[in-house]
Amino acid sequence: GAVVSQHPSWVICKSGTSVKIECRSLDFQATTMFWYRQFPKQSLMLMATSNEGSKATYEQGVEKDKFLINHASLTLSTLTVTSAHPEDSSFYICSAHRGGTGSYNEQFFGPGTRLTVL
Amino acid sequence: GENVEQHPSTLSVQEGDSAVIKCTYSDSASNYFPWYKQELGKRPQLIIDIRSNVGEKKDQRIAVTLNKTAKHFSLHITETQPEDSAVYFCAAPQGGSEKLVFGKGTKLTVNP
Repeated sequence: GAVVSQHPSWVICKSGTSVKIECRSLDFQATTMFWYRQFPKQSLMLMATSNEGSKATYEQGVEKDKFLINHASLTLSTLTVTSAHPEDSSFYICSAHRGGTGSYNEQFFGPGTRLTVL
Repeated sequence: GENVEQHPSTLSVQEGDSAVIKCTYSDSASNYFPWYKQELGKRPQLIIDIRSNVGEKKDQRIAVTLNKTAKHFSLHITETQPEDSAVYFCAAPQGGSEKLVFGKGTKLTVNP
C-alpha cells in the first residue's frame, strides 16, 4: 500500500510555456499532498502544501502565481509551472500524506518529474 | 519552527561494516522521525520510522534509535551491502502541522 504516482516522469519545454505535473495517490486518500523541488546533490525543498478542497499554502519565497497548485480530489494534486524559464529546470517531487488516526506525519513520495526548460 | 541537523554529509564504509547516521532536532514536541533512502534520480523511499513512545526500532539490518532527552535520533545499518549505497535523509515534523522538515542528507557509499 501507499503508492504515489507522478506524471510525466520527465518533460522538456521551451521557455515561456507552461507545464502541468500530476500527482496521484493510488491506493489511499490523501487530504494533504506536498510539492518539493530538489536541486542536484541537495535536500528536498518544500514548495507548497496542497489541501483538498482549499487553497494551497506556499512556503516563503515561492511565487504562488508561478507555481499553480490544484487539489481537486482526495487522490489528485497538480502543479503547473507557468511561463517556465531555464531557472525553473529542476526535479519536482510530490508526496502524499496518509492521514487517519495514529498516522502521524507519514509521507509517501511520487517518482518525481525532471523538468528541463530550454 | 523545527530545525533538523544531519551528520555526516558523506560516509564511506567497506562492505560488511556498519554505518551510523545521526540527526538532531529542535522541537521537543516532535513525535515522529522517519528515515528515507534516495537512490540517484529516484524517489525518496521510507525505510524506517520511529515514534516518540519508543526508544528503538529494528527491521532486519536497519535500526533507528531515539533519545528524546537529547533530541537526537540515529539510523544504524549493519552488514552493509553495495546496494545500500544511496543518499539517506532524516526528517521531523514541523510543529503542529503535517509538514516534515528534512535534514540535508548523507551520501553513503559501500565499497565492495
